[in-house]
Amino acid sequence: QKEVEQNSGPLSVPEGAIASLNCTYSDRVSQSFFWYRQYSGKSPELIMSIYSNGDKEDGRFTAQLNKASQYVSLLIRDSQPSDSATYLCAVNPRGGGNKLTFGTGTQLKVEL
Amino acid sequence: GAVVSQHPSRVICKSGTSVKIECRSLDFQATTMFWYRQFPKQSLMLMATSNEGSKATYEQGVEKDKFLINHASLTLSTLTVTSAHPEDSSFYICSARPTGEGHGYTFGSGTRLTVV
Repeated sequence: QKEVEQNSGPLSVPEGAIASLNCTYSDRVSQSFFWYRQYSGKSPELIMSIYSNGDKEDGRFTAQLNKASQYVSLLIRDSQPSDSATYLCAVNPRGGGNKLTFGTGTQLKVEL
Repeated sequence: GAVVSQHPSRVICKSGTSVKIECRSLDFQATTMFWYRQFPKQSLMLMATSNEGSKATYEQGVEKDKFLINHASLTLSTLTVTSAHPEDSSFYICSARPTGEGHGYTFGSGTRLTVV
């Protein structure tokens, strides 16, 4: 079992719709969770971080964490073509120092 | 926000030569920096953790004599790919995290290495 799992996609949504990206992780005692956006040929940029169960909203983005289910998700409201990118889920397990473990990423395509 | 600067952004070198990549934290001090490698259509793989003033910690399977890491100050870490071969061609990215609650990991802009 991979430490951090994501559906590779592509996930296609129409412009203006809600995009839902999902991630599961295997280390039950993981502490910190991050969503990064990566455009082709570029380095990742931080979208959201979440540390406790529940929802965290920032503009059009909402991160959701459920530690009991070992599940973290990212919702993008009013999706725009500029949101088309690969979204990486990253987990910082307890005892892992400051190391991040990344999922393989989900490619999102927002279509006009 | 926290900024990490990485240079060069792109380098082409001949097989057998060495290439140095620099990673600087511009507005914060980083006792620890991370070096990743990313092959096309794959996720980021952590290569090593760079520690200021001490030896780097390498991930399993990463050759420490081939990928030399130096973290000489609180704002600078370097990765040197020695005796580069075509299979070392990849996207190398550094990362650091400011101390304190709520800070995420910031990535440099990456270095595209092509070994010919």
